[in-house]
Amino acid sequence: EDQVTQSPEALRLQEGESSSLNCSYTVSGLRGLFWYRQDPGKGPEFLFTLYSAGEEKEKERLKATLTKKESFLHITAPKPEDSATYLCAVRDLYGGATNKLIFGTGTLLAVQP
Amino acid sequence: DAGITQSPRHKVTETGTPVTLRCHQTENHRYMYWYRQDPGHGLRLIHYSYGVKDTDKGEVSDGYSVSRSKTEDFLLTLESATSSQTSVYFCAISDPTLKGQENQPQHFGDGTRLSIL
Repeated sequence: EDQVTQSPEALRLQEGESSSLNCSYTVSGLRGLFWYRQDPGKGPEFLFTLYSAGEEKEKERLKATLTKKESFLHITAPKPEDSATYLCAVRDLYGGATNKLIFGTGTLLAVQP
Repeated sequence: DAGITQSPRHKVTETGTPVTLRCHQTENHRYMYWYRQDPGHGLRLIHYSYGVKDTDKGEVSDGYSVSRSKTEDFLLTLESATSSQTSVYFCAISDPTLKGQENQPQHFGDGTRLSIL
């Protein structure tokens, strides 16, 4: 059964204090791993897609990396506006044409000034 | 931003009443999805549609039905609402049938907060 586990559940950082969020996954075959950001009262907003081990993607202070078992979202010198819940999801290679995603429960990030 | 509108944004109702949530998209995407989001569970798929009048169940479909009579609209109905269906409901869209879009992300609306008393 496909499964996604995110850690930590919550993380509090000081502005400028770099850290990483973890997403561990179990799938029959990985078709894609997706990172989303979710602000309170809003829907998830797409950040990155990673397709194969060793791949990296960057956007401003965020960098996502992928291995065969997990993905990391590195946050460099975070600012208060980076505060949000970060969600990880996977798409199974054998999931058929439905394009379904399996989501983790997210990491709530709070960046204090 | 993807053109996805969910209505209503908030609703409070009583146990046993029928409830219909609406998702409207302006992207002409073929696939539409309904999720619920609860603390400790993340986003869970309720139902999805892969075309007009083509729908299928997700992992938590009991107590829910859906309909899609037009490409742009996907309705989620709780025939007789229960307190366990209190949640935040999200609609998402994608179109893997488009060339080059086979493995693209889903895009989400801003949700409906539903409280059943």
